[in-house]
Amino acid sequence: EAQVTQNPRYLITVTGKKLTVTCSQNMNHEYMSWYRQDPGLGLRQIYYSMNVEVTDKGDVPEGYKVSRKEKRNFPLILESPSPNQTSLYFCASSSRDYNEQFFGPGTRLTVL
Amino acid sequence: AQSVTQPDIHITVSEGASLELRCNYSYGATPYLFWYVQSPGQGLQLLLKYFSGDTLVQGIKGFEAEFKRSQSSFNLRKPSVHWSDAAEYFCAVGSNTGKLIFGQGTTLQVKP
Repeated sequence: EAQVTQNPRYLITVTGKKLTVTCSQNMNHEYMSWYRQDPGLGLRQIYYSMNVEVTDKGDVPEGYKVSRKEKRNFPLILESPSPNQTSLYFCASSSRDYNEQFFGPGTRLTVL
Repeated sequence: AQSVTQPDIHITVSEGASLELRCNYSYGATPYLFWYVQSPGQGLQLLLKYFSGDTLVQGIKGFEAEFKRSQSSFNLRKPSVHWSDAAEYFCAVGSNTGKLIFGQGTTLQVKP
């Protein structure tokens, strides 16, 4: 089954404790992205990657890091989480040709 | 700058009534346009997309949308709403770099 998976689905952590949210897709897609969803703001892109070892900032990259060492994986790293990063995070992937993004189920992060 | 505006934050319709959700975009080139639906606690599901060609596109669940270049709009319609359509709806514009820009979302409530 074609899918995008994210782990963990729920996470409660404390300020300053480094964390990683994993994202994996099995569709051999070139493009992968991370978004955060906040009430009244829709989804905003954090980082995106057009291929292995190619990443770029989205609209709200501050406080986040990403890496793309393999085509299927695109982890999101919060080196020192802060309460304003409490949000719902979505990973997405798409092929180069169709630009239709497939979304993961989301990770709800709470930073205390 | 690229942007997407959904003027209606919240809409309530009666079951069986028709529905139109508005979406206006600002984009320099020919846009890729999408409508996604998000049920409570769920991820995003693609309803329909427009890349080129016929400006009236059909999607899943009986939805359709019309691309009007002169008005920079891509409104979503459904002739008869069902209670299960209650959800949040997002319009998005995409680029050939895989980046998606989302509107703020419209929450649809369906009255019995």
